[in-house]
Amino acid sequence: NAGVTQTPKFQVLKTGQSMTLQCAQDMNHEYMSWYRQDPGMGLRLIHYSVGAGITDQGEVPNGYNVSRSTTEDFPLRLLSAAPSQTSVYFCASSIGTGFTDTQYFGPGTRLTVL
Amino acid sequence: AQSVAQPEDQVNVAEGNPLTVKCTYSVSGNPYLFWYVQYPNRGLQFLLKYITGDNLVKGSYGFEAEFNKSQTSFHLKKPSALVSDSALYFCAVRDIRKGNTGKLIFGQGTTLQVKP
Repeated sequence: NAGVTQTPKFQVLKTGQSMTLQCAQDMNHEYMSWYRQDPGMGLRLIHYSVGAGITDQGEVPNGYNVSRSTTEDFPLRLLSAAPSQTSVYFCASSIGTGFTDTQYFGPGTRLTVL
Repeated sequence: AQSVAQPEDQVNVAEGNPLTVKCTYSVSGNPYLFWYVQYPNRGLQFLLKYITGDNLVKGSYGFEAEFNKSQTSFHLKKPSALVSDSALYFCAVRDIRKGNTGKLIFGQGTTLQVKP
């Protein structure tokens, strides 16, 4: 198992550009999510999905879109990048949404918006 | 409100000495607590979790955590630190409000520095 994979590892964008961060998992997990990590703030939930075709907003969804057409993939789209979106982005997955289910994280994408 | 606090930004310990990374929590209902470690330029790796039962939870790489309900704490411990344990450690609690969103609420993180 590759686990949770993310591409790219690094990305530099100019303000106003759009891009898609890719996330895939090969563990047949139903639940997938995106977090952003900012210094001194821990990780904050952007969007999540409890299964193919189902997505919902987390605590910081503005400026981001997601879709879940397959169980394996959960891309995160930045529609018009802003400097405030400079961050490290982590994708995570778990077998379900049970309170005790362990979430497994990808290696992250470091995004800089100029 | 549900929250997690890691009161120390950094913990310094000598190799071979015991280490403790502190975490306190505030939840309404039963706490489901997790510890993750992040090595430089890497993703978060799961260490251990507390669900119910025994207050001492054993995890990966020789780490363990002690759940204390009266003090609302979930401190991470290791009897003998290694230089390779140097990393950023996150405590997290499952957010059980508003149903099963799967959301984890993370602390700010504690940098552990183990010196030879």
